[in-house]
Amino acid sequence: SYEVTQPPSLSVSPGQTATITCSGHNLGDKYVCWYQQKPGQSPVLVIYQDTKRPSGIPARFSGSNSGNTATLTISGTQSMDEADYYCQAWDSSTAYVFGTGTTVTVL
Amino acid sequence: QVQLVESGGGLVKPGQSLRLSCAASGFTFSDYYISWIRQAPEKGLEWISYISSSGSNIYYADSVKGRFTISRDNAKNSLYLQMNTLRVEDTAVYFCAREGAAAGRYFDKWGQGTLVTVSS
Repeated sequence: SYEVTQPPSLSVSPGQTATITCSGHNLGDKYVCWYQQKPGQSPVLVIYQDTKRPSGIPARFSGSNSGNTATLTISGTQSMDEADYYCQAWDSSTAYVFGTGTTVTVL
Repeated sequence: QVQLVESGGGLVKPGQSLRLSCAASGFTFSDYYISWIRQAPEKGLEWISYISSSGSNIYYADSVKGRFTISRDNAKNSLYLQMNTLRVEDTAVYFCAREGAAAGRYFDKWGQGTLVTVSS
C-alpha cells in the first residue's frame, strides 16, 4: 500500500517561513493537497492540485510537488496558523492516502 | 452555503452495531463523490470509504472492509455508514467529506464530525 510521511512537528517564529514536507515514492507523479486542522475543529483544505488555493485561503499558503516530496510553505507565519497540517494524495491501489500530520507551533 | 452534518455517534460495546448519517445541504448532492474519514483520539486522519455520485462505485479501506457499509440516498441528500462488529480500535470522530470537483481527488468540504466510542 502507498504511504506518505511528514515530520511530526515544526516550530517557527512569527513572521518567518514554515516549510512542511510530505514524502512518498514518486509523489511528484500524483496530485497532492493539504489540510489545516485546529484543535476540536474539522480539517480545512488549504492547497489542492499541488499548488492551488481554495477561495478564502490567504496567499501566504503555497504548495509545490516534485520528485518524492511535496511541500507546503507558510510565508510570514501568524499565530493563527498554529495547527496540525496533513498532506493527502490519491493512489490507484490504496485510494486516499493521508500523511502522518505535522504540528506547527508558532512561538 | 455548503453544509455537511453528521449524526448517529455514541457509546457502544465491542461487537455491536451503529449507523451514522450525514445530511448535506447547499449543493447538488447527487453530483458529488462523498467519503467517510475518521480520526482516532490524538491520532491522524484515516480515510475509510467512498461512494460515487450515483452510488454505483464504492470502495473501502482494508481496516473496515466486510464490517462497514456505505450508502447514500440522493433523494434525501443523505449519506450513511452502517458499522457492524465494532471494535475498540474503531473509536474515533467520523467525518463525512465532499470530494472536490477538480482533478486530484481531494476533499473541499467537511462536516463537524460525530464521535463513536467502542468500549466495554
